[in-house]
Amino acid sequence: GEEVAQTPKHLVRGEGQKAKLYCAPIKGHSYVFWYQQVLKNEFKFLISFQNENVFDETGMPKERFSAKCLPNSPCSLEIQATKLEDSAVYFCASSQSVLPPGNIQYFGAGTRLSVL
Amino acid sequence: LAKTTQPISMDSYEGQEVNITCSHNNIATNDYITWYQQFPSQGPRFIIQGYKTKVTNEVASLFIPADRKSSTLSLPRVSLSDTAVYYCLVAPMDTGRRALTFGSGTRLQVQP
Repeated sequence: GEEVAQTPKHLVRGEGQKAKLYCAPIKGHSYVFWYQQVLKNEFKFLISFQNENVFDETGMPKERFSAKCLPNSPCSLEIQATKLEDSAVYFCASSQSVLPPGNIQYFGAGTRLSVL
Repeated sequence: LAKTTQPISMDSYEGQEVNITCSHNNIATNDYITWYQQFPSQGPRFIIQGYKTKVTNEVASLFIPADRKSSTLSLPRVSLSDTAVYYCLVAPMDTGRRALTFGSGTRLQVQP
């Protein structure tokens, strides 16, 4: 597709429940990124992929968060045993390549996760 | 990564030109300057990217002085729909595979 598609738009979970978010990158883009946006405008990088391989996972809270990008499937971000502090908007972005102008990251509309 | 500093907020009126300046004193030789726009309940949207001098597209212009320690995003004749948060980012050329570091951004409010 021509835009990054994220589903669902809004997800409500009780504390301790599992949450799974999906992202379909722009067709032909090799890199996928997950960001978390909490209060105000703060963005936190979580993980990135180069095709189906993890490229950088330095931002991932590994004990509860996991992510995958499998061929011919949307990428996914899963949170086991959600906590109140996981409430945020999760953005997925994709980019075509590493050199300009292919290095531009295009963002989806986000998934708002509300943990009650 | 180079740290960026930009005003927290700005106000303008419809039809005016808005200039948002970002300082990045420790920008590296291979760093590019990129600006994103974010509306409420939406993801950041790429506006413009540049390395030096001036870049212009259908939406905005980006002015970068010779020392590259600052940059100015210029929005000509803003409208109410330009009310958004604007982020200045500085990152190495290969940001296609590296995470972007967003600062706090500049909240632009356009009044009628």
